[in-house]
Amino acid sequence: GDSVTQMEGPVTLSEEACLTINCTYTATGYPSLFWYVQYPGEGLQLLLKATKADDKGSNKGFEATYRKETTSFHLEKGSVQVSDSAVYFCALKKAGGFKTIFGAGTRLFVKA
Amino acid sequence: NAGVTQTPKFQVLKTGQSMTLQCAQDMNHEYMSWYRQDPGMGLRLIHYSVGAGITDQGEVPNGYNVSRSTTEDFPLRLLSAAPSQTSVYFCASSYPSGEEQYFGPGTRLTVT
Repeated sequence: GDSVTQMEGPVTLSEEACLTINCTYTATGYPSLFWYVQYPGEGLQLLLKATKADDKGSNKGFEATYRKETTSFHLEKGSVQVSDSAVYFCALKKAGGFKTIFGAGTRLFVKA
Repeated sequence: NAGVTQTPKFQVLKTGQSMTLQCAQDMNHEYMSWYRQDPGMGLRLIHYSVGAGITDQGEVPNGYNVSRSTTEDFPLRLLSAAPSQTSVYFCASSYPSGEEQYFGPGTRLTVT
């Protein structure tokens, strides 16, 4: 079945360090791919998305590129801030389908 | 717009008790879902609805009931609480054609 695998956390970084959170997926067809972020005590909110191969989603300094050849959608940021501390979820949704499939989440801690 | 609202924010139940988690949205979204979030397991779909009067089961429906009498509201009922239902519960909504889901702030439930 369709699935999303993302790197286990927690990831601990110092402020201004580079971030990469790996995400790979298994799905038939051409799903849309998402990164959601969950700040402490809140629900998930969409961070960025990409709907077709080679698309790059970006928001708030975060980027991810839809790589069909490696079935990956890694999240990157060049310089993290303390305010980026959160849990990040990779997800996919099939065209015409209802369900969004989420990865297990990766917790990021950024130290000042 | 309040978005997606959930009540209560926290709840403690004893084994065997029943309760209803409330969810409401004011965005006129047709699609609504309930998820549970457990450590290391991401979000798992409990039940969902594609419109008023229409509901269906997700991955982990056992022990939960839902109904959808209006577009705005989608309550989740725990029939006889069990410790295995200790979790954080999120309600989400979206447009039928949309890909992004909008999440409520969650309900943290503990069953003793």
